[in-house]
Amino acid sequence: DADVTQTPRNRITKTGKRIMLECSQTKGHDRMYWYRQDPGLGLRLIYYSFDVKDINKGEISDGYSVSRQAQAKFSLSLESAIPNQTALYFCATSGDPKGTSPYNEQFFGPGTRLTVL
Amino acid sequence: QKEVEQNSGPLSVPEGAIASLNCTYSDRVSQSFFWYRQYSGKSPELIMSIYSNGDKEDGRFTAQLNKASQYVSLLIRDSQPSDSATYLCAVLDSWGKLQFGAGTQVVVTP
Repeated sequence: DADVTQTPRNRITKTGKRIMLECSQTKGHDRMYWYRQDPGLGLRLIYYSFDVKDINKGEISDGYSVSRQAQAKFSLSLESAIPNQTALYFCATSGDPKGTSPYNEQFFGPGTRLTVL
Repeated sequence: QKEVEQNSGPLSVPEGAIASLNCTYSDRVSQSFFWYRQYSGKSPELIMSIYSNGDKEDGRFTAQLNKASQYVSLLIRDSQPSDSATYLCAVLDSWGKLQFGAGTQVVVTP
């Protein structure tokens, strides 16, 4: 099955450490996204990429960076982790390789639970 | 004002009844609308997409869209305990990004 995978699924780290979260997809989608979710705050967009050469900041990009290594891979880095970056992080993809859907639905990976001590 | 508004709930629904969830949005040019279901600690799962005014049915789910009123709703018929989750309304904006509401928690009681 075409899928979106994220590694690691859980991570505990210390303040000041550099962390990389990875996302891979086999859906053939060209668009990829990183979100974080905090209780009561819903999903917030960190960065998004509409193709390999396109990277855009979302609403909460400060303290984060991304790399689009290939169409299927999109990594999120926390250069120097801080406790208020403790959250659930989701990668999502969208696109329509067959040109059959007008909706541009997004499909989410399983998430990474990150704890910064 | 948030771009996508939902009642946070919890919405308590007896098993077998209809759950009705509402969502309003502010961007008049939006064309695509989505409902996601999210269980606690899990990722959002797409359950409905709607593009045109009117109703769209898929199994026990019906999405309703009224672009003139900037309103989209989700009905869940014959609610089951497994429907207990948070339901996220999402609207595709002019730049191709999804704007999410904060979600409505649904609790189906036996």
